[in-house]
Amino acid sequence: DQQVKQNSPSLSVQEGRISILNCDYTNSMFDYFLWYKKYPAEGPTFLISISSIKDKNEDGRFTVFLNKSAKHLSLHIVPSQPGDSAVYFCAASATNAGKSTFGDGTTLTVKP
Amino acid sequence: KAGVTQTPRYLIKTRGQQVTLSCSPISGHRSVSWYQQTPGQGLQFLFEYFSETQRNKGNFPGRFSGRQFSNSRSEMNVSTLELGDSALYLCASSEQPSSTDTQYFGPGTRLTVL
Repeated sequence: DQQVKQNSPSLSVQEGRISILNCDYTNSMFDYFLWYKKYPAEGPTFLISISSIKDKNEDGRFTVFLNKSAKHLSLHIVPSQPGDSAVYFCAASATNAGKSTFGDGTTLTVKP
Repeated sequence: KAGVTQTPRYLIKTRGQQVTLSCSPISGHRSVSWYQQTPGQGLQFLFEYFSETQRNKGNFPGRFSGRQFSNSRSEMNVSTLELGDSALYLCASSEQPSSTDTQYFGPGTRLTVL
């Protein structure tokens, strides 16, 4: 039973446009959500997070939206840049229940 | 501060052998977690250690084990290797085991089982 799902394995967008990466979760105990970015031959790096008490968190070009009722979160990248091309992992955790559960990742390609 | 380091970076083994992977966390970090990444499977949580104690364990067979030393360095061992164990093994460290503490990942060890 996969508790965190990223249903789109890949996404391609034009430079300067918005990239929207989606993530769904099933465990209602999850109360903290994160996005990681991974380049080839490197480990994932933390990008942005959001607590379940919020519905939006913004950091520069990156914004994460959380819809608790739908158990859905999304990452918006505006404007998208070629350097954003990477695999993006969504992750979720529950307080006092250990580290995160990750999705399978979405490969984002930003075309110049 | 130096980042998380993992050794070796690449490893080739044959079925039935065993392997030990090493992870050195960021200085001051006491929590170390291990993940397995395979194509189409995302990052699967293996186990987490804090202060030399295993705190959480993922859904992996007993062939997968780990330990943490007093200096927070961690090792994971896989015995009786199977072809399906071929994967990228990632180690991540954080200051505390809290679920909200940011994890910092190493570059991973690419294990190939022939």
